[in-house]
Amino acid sequence: DIQMTQSPSTLSASVGDRVTITCRASQSISSWLAWYQQKPGKAPKLLIYKASSLESGVPSRFSGSGSGTEFTLTISSLQPDDFATYYCQQYNSYERTFGQGTKVEIK
Amino acid sequence: EVQLVQSGAEVKKPGESLKISCKGSGYSFTSYWIGWVRQMPGKGLEWMGIIYPGDSDTRYSPSFQGQVTISADKSISTAYLQWSSLKASDTAMYYCARAGIAAAGTDFDYWGQGTLVTVSS
Repeated sequence: DIQMTQSPSTLSASVGDRVTITCRASQSISSWLAWYQQKPGKAPKLLIYKASSLESGVPSRFSGSGSGTEFTLTISSLQPDDFATYYCQQYNSYERTFGQGTKVEIK
Repeated sequence: EVQLVQSGAEVKKPGESLKISCKGSGYSFTSYWIGWVRQMPGKGLEWMGIIYPGDSDTRYSPSFQGQVTISADKSISTAYLQWSSLKASDTAMYYCARAGIAAAGTDFDYWGQGTLVTVSS
């Protein structure tokens, strides 16, 4: 099965900062990668699909890039609403795997 | 509007059985795969399995194969996750989520609100 490794596990940042989260796959997944945002007590929300496509309604400060085994999620200017936990997920096969998550905290 | 509405929180004892539900609306329920995701307290997301309500084709994560049963009743647009004998370690939030029209190559674009399952003696 495909393993997904996210880094860092925790990230401390300030409003206005540029933030980058990395996700690595144990084997090539082409561009079959999604990013989700989860706030405490809430269901995850789809932000990015197919590695770099922005889900409808998601602010343009979020962007995704990468293919193969290495992917990044970038928030260009962190806003107060963005403090949350972010997960990557591969869906190259029917066996979908999540990364362990990255918590973005207020510095 | 696409909606997935899950059944309410459950408190059960070890060894008891349980079936939780996820009702879809606002789209063709039989045409999209539905997945289940576990989130243990304070932990990350774990993919459990998916089902195609159109023909009940079901795929499981190796970690959950034999531990749970995923099913669907397309006549009432509802997917289910069930346990025959709960353990304390099954205590978690469980989410259903809509995938696409294919088993692979599709993300989870809509999510249910979650069902909290607590197993305690």
